[in-house]
Amino acid sequence: DSGVTQTPKHLITATGQRVTLRCSPRSGDLSVYWYQQSLDQGLQFLIQYYNGEERAKGNILERFSAQQFPDLHSELNLSSLELGDSALYFCASSVGGSYSYEQYFGPGTRLTVT
Amino acid sequence: AQSVTQLGSHVSVSEGALVLLRCNYSSSVPPYLFWYVQYPNQGLQLLLKYTSAATLVKGINGFEAEFKKSETSFHLTKPSAHMSDAAEYFCAVSGEGNTPLVFGKGTRLSVIA
Repeated sequence: DSGVTQTPKHLITATGQRVTLRCSPRSGDLSVYWYQQSLDQGLQFLIQYYNGEERAKGNILERFSAQQFPDLHSELNLSSLELGDSALYFCASSVGGSYSYEQYFGPGTRLTVT
Repeated sequence: AQSVTQLGSHVSVSEGALVLLRCNYSSSVPPYLFWYVQYPNQGLQLLLKYTSAATLVKGINGFEAEFKKSETSFHLTKPSAHMSDAAEYFCAVSGEGNTPLVFGKGTRLSVIA
């Protein structure tokens, strides 16, 4: 158990819908990262927040947005969902904002868009 | 831009045999390098990391990796494979300008009894 929690574990929804994925980092960690894992694209970095502020952006679509709240939990919002958005979405956390710090991954949310 | 190449999408070894999983990276500056393991239906777990201290890095579960700058490699090894080592292994790099981690495509390790 990494100490990072993600909810829900599974999500099945229809095209065009909007969903929210939630992540609680390990106690004491200030950085939260979101990743998308799919068979064709592999593991892709989406976005990083550090202590409530956006720190870095990766291959995140405009239909996707995220935020980190004062209690440091984070939410990833996916809207106008398409079949191709079906994937595993991981959250990770680290104590600092630098990429030299170990990132601890949650168990993931499996999103299926039908 | 930095990148990671993992040679071999699938590696199969016998129980007790040497495990060697290959990772080559590209980065114009000394990188941070990581190996992660993913068991079925689980998140990624950090095995070890290199951050410019010792070139031979020891990790959990008996794994180690050696940073070779001249070969831009960071191969993962374990002297004797166990059945429990069967999983997907990912190499990741953060290099230029302390940029977000870039992951390799992964190598699936099978261990045969």
